[in-house]
Amino acid sequence: DGGITQSPKYLFRKEGQNVTLSCEQNLNHDAMYWYRQDPGQGLRLIYYSQIVNDFQKGDIAEGYSVSREKKESFPLTVTSAQKNPTAFYLCASSTQGPGFLNYGYTFGSGTRLTVV
Amino acid sequence: SQQGEEDPQALSIQEGENATMNCSYKTSINNLQWYRQNSGRGLVHLILIRSNEREKHSGRLRVTLDTSKKSSSLLITASRAADTASYFCATVFGDTGRRALTFGSGTRLQVQP
Repeated sequence: DGGITQSPKYLFRKEGQNVTLSCEQNLNHDAMYWYRQDPGQGLRLIYYSQIVNDFQKGDIAEGYSVSREKKESFPLTVTSAQKNPTAFYLCASSTQGPGFLNYGYTFGSGTRLTVV
Repeated sequence: SQQGEEDPQALSIQEGENATMNCSYKTSINNLQWYRQNSGRGLVHLILIRSNEREKHSGRLRVTLDTSKKSSSLLITASRAADTASYFCATVFGDTGRRALTFGSGTRLQVQP
């Protein structure tokens, strides 16, 4: 089955550590996205990538980094510069072909990151 | 920034009743989408309405869009306990060049059996 997989489901980070969240999709989607969700809140865009080897900052990119070396993968690193990283992180993908505005996003099941 | 804002923030109804959620936005859009999120899970795409459409149906869902008022509504008819979830509107803004969805703050729907 085609889908988007995030791992791990739960992640604990110590102060000063960098951690990397994995996001893999087999939907052949060109675009991938990372969002952060705080309790009871909506989603805020961290980074997105429309094509391999290219990505753009979203609204809250500070303290995060990404790479897009393969079409299927878009890992997110939460660096020690992110002072309040405890949140639910959601990865999504979408088509970017003709008529892309007619399609929605496919989301992963999320990674819950907690600072300990 | 979150340019889509849902109203109400929370809604509690009885099974069988209709649920209406509203979304307002501030700038021009290409389309508006509605998503559902069960507690602690990822989002699921429900329905998309383009800026040149006024109404769209999908099963028990009905979405309207009023671009003059910059608002949309999602109606769930004959609600079920399984409809309990948070519902988000999301838009792609036509005048920013950003090709990524911006989400609203969501409406938490509780359907009492």
